[in-house]
Amino acid sequence: GEDVEQSLFLSVREGDSSVINCTYTDSSSTYLYWYKQEPGAGLQLLTYIFSNMDMKQDQRLTVLLNKKDKHLSLRIADTQTGDSAIYFCAESPNDYKLSFGAGTTVTVRA
Amino acid sequence: GAVVSQHPSWVICKSGTSVKIECRSLDFQATTMFWYRQFPKQSLMLMATSNEGSKATYEQGVEKDKFLINHASLTLSTLTVTSAHPEDSSFYICSARELQGSYGYTFGSGTRLTVV
Repeated sequence: GEDVEQSLFLSVREGDSSVINCTYTDSSSTYLYWYKQEPGAGLQLLTYIFSNMDMKQDQRLTVLLNKKDKHLSLRIADTQTGDSAIYFCAESPNDYKLSFGAGTTVTVRA
Repeated sequence: GAVVSQHPSWVICKSGTSVKIECRSLDFQATTMFWYRQFPKQSLMLMATSNEGSKATYEQGVEKDKFLINHASLTLSTLTVTSAHPEDSSFYICSARELQGSYGYTFGSGTRLTVV
């Protein structure tokens, strides 16, 4: 995942907002993605954003896309203990296969 | 929503034996399936991509004779780890995509392989 970079760890207090940042390199991705992985499980698609959009909101999740800087962020409002997981940012060069970042481990503390 | 079923969830096998992992799309036809390997606390590494009815395309460094992939139908792909060794122990995850250009990549729940 050297083409997609994201910070490795984030610790947040329950009830606060979490912001996970990601930078990517390929501008041919039609969509950019955020996936969530809980321990021992596969990946769950959290949300995605069309590359022509700047922002997408879905309940507690807000995705911001800065296409010029190739920067993607995921904000989780009112973070809960169930949000503790690894979050992967992904691009899809030429809309074929996903290229993942290293994953950000989010730990929610009481 | 789209569901991908992956079996088994975990398997322990002896060195030298082969293990088959199945990945099924339950409510859609998967034109393309992807197989990933994930080491502890690391990202997903794409091993190969398979399209129904054709040979899989392997990523650089992945031994195609070691990791046999079959995508015989639009709903089933299998990964066989042949002559398994302890270094093959890992978490294997499949993903299926219905249509080129759609946003949806649906992941299986993963298989934990331990070779002893």
